[in-house]
Amino acid sequence: QVQLVQSGAEVKKPGASVKVSCKTSGYTFTSHAIHWVRQAPGQRLEWMGWINAGNGHTKHSHTFQGRITITRDTFASTASLELSSLRSEDTAVYYCARDSGTSYAYFDSWGQGTLVAVSS
Amino acid sequence: DIQMTQSPSSLSASVGDRVTITCRASQSISRYLNWYQQKPGKAPKLLIYAASSLQSGVPSRFSGSGSGTDFTLTISSLQAEDFATYYCQQSYSTPLYTFGQGTKVELK
Repeated sequence: QVQLVQSGAEVKKPGASVKVSCKTSGYTFTSHAIHWVRQAPGQRLEWMGWINAGNGHTKHSHTFQGRITITRDTFASTASLELSSLRSEDTAVYYCARDSGTSYAYFDSWGQGTLVAVSS
Repeated sequence: DIQMTQSPSSLSASVGDRVTITCRASQSISRYLNWYQQKPGKAPKLLIYAASSLQSGVPSRFSGSGSGTDFTLTISSLQAEDFATYYCQQSYSTPLYTFGQGTKVELK
């Protein structure tokens, strides 16, 4: 079955960077895009960015301009999110999610979430 | 960016009640509207895609309707396991997706 397993919780200081990984299994990795979504405490889900796992093309929300890098390793069937210049407002649970690959583009499988806490 | 607004933000209901949640888009999104359920400490789970298509494995008491700017998620007979927060999401302006603010369904 389709599985997305994320790396563990992180505690970072303001100004630092964090990298969260998302290891997939149960399907052909290059056939589905991977999205990153975060959720600050008590807040709504916030779409961050997306990578086409086949060709590596990415796009991200302008909210994270200059701070976000999304990559993939096709041999390891893994996608990764790196966020730099962290501030306290970046404290959130970060999720990866698989794109359905259909024209309606919904997120049909999700990772378990990774808590990133930013604190001095 | 397309803005998504849900109503109500929260509601109280009893087991067996019919529950309706609405989602409005700031511009027409055709039927590019998805619904997710999230329980505390868990990842979201897809319920409905393309406004009205039920995801495999999701109970038939969940249904979705609407097109253009106005959409509805209905739970025909609320069960104990349905107490959760529900989010709508537009996938019209791919890949710049946006979610609604969520509707928390609580026990009355």
